[in-house]
Amino acid sequence: DAGVIQSPRHEVTEMGQEVTLRCKPISGHNSLFWYRQTMMRGLELLIYFNNNVPIDDSGMPEDRFSAKMPNASFSTLKIQPSEPRDSAVYFCASSDVPGQGQEQYFGPGTRLTVT
Amino acid sequence: AQSVTQLGSHVSVSEGALVLLRCNYSSSVPPYLFWYVQYPNQGLQLLLKYTTGATLVKGINGFEAEFKKSETSFHLTKPSAHMSDAAEYFCAVIDDQGGKLIFGQGTELSVKP
Repeated sequence: DAGVIQSPRHEVTEMGQEVTLRCKPISGHNSLFWYRQTMMRGLELLIYFNNNVPIDDSGMPEDRFSAKMPNASFSTLKIQPSEPRDSAVYFCASSDVPGQGQEQYFGPGTRLTVT
Repeated sequence: AQSVTQLGSHVSVSEGALVLLRCNYSSSVPPYLFWYVQYPNQGLQLLLKYTTGATLVKGINGFEAEFKKSETSFHLTKPSAHMSDAAEYFCAVIDDQGGKLIFGQGTELSVKP
């Protein structure tokens, strides 16, 4: 199994540009999570999906952030327009059953730098 | 609401010494607890988890943790540290709605030769 796949691994962009991060969860997993990690705020859950439906997006910082999961094997996190304070590592994770002790499997992350 | 507190943002031990990373949680329901490890420039990897049953849980790489309900703790231990254990460690609890992991702020472990 290839694990959770994220692309790109690194992204450098200028303020105001649109950024799209991509995630392919482990085949057969029903739940997908997007996290952001920074030194100041640690690990934050942005949004999670169950069976392609957004369940909780309370962690999405503001309207500039949006996430979609058009099918069970693909999700995107978009930032438009990007700002320097969005610089962080963004992780995608998936699990086969939501909650109740099921392990979340993390991807390698996308390191975003907004200048 | 659930929360997790990790005592000490940085712990340093000598190679061969005991590793003890502290985690306390709050939960209104019986908790499901996890320890994850993050090596530099990598994603998080599960070390071990507690759901139900035996309160002493063994994980990968010689780590174990004990669930103590009376102390609301889930401390992580390893009898003898190895240089390869240097990483950041996160304690987490599933929230009472199910689905979301609530992470502690992390503890960076350094291992001195």
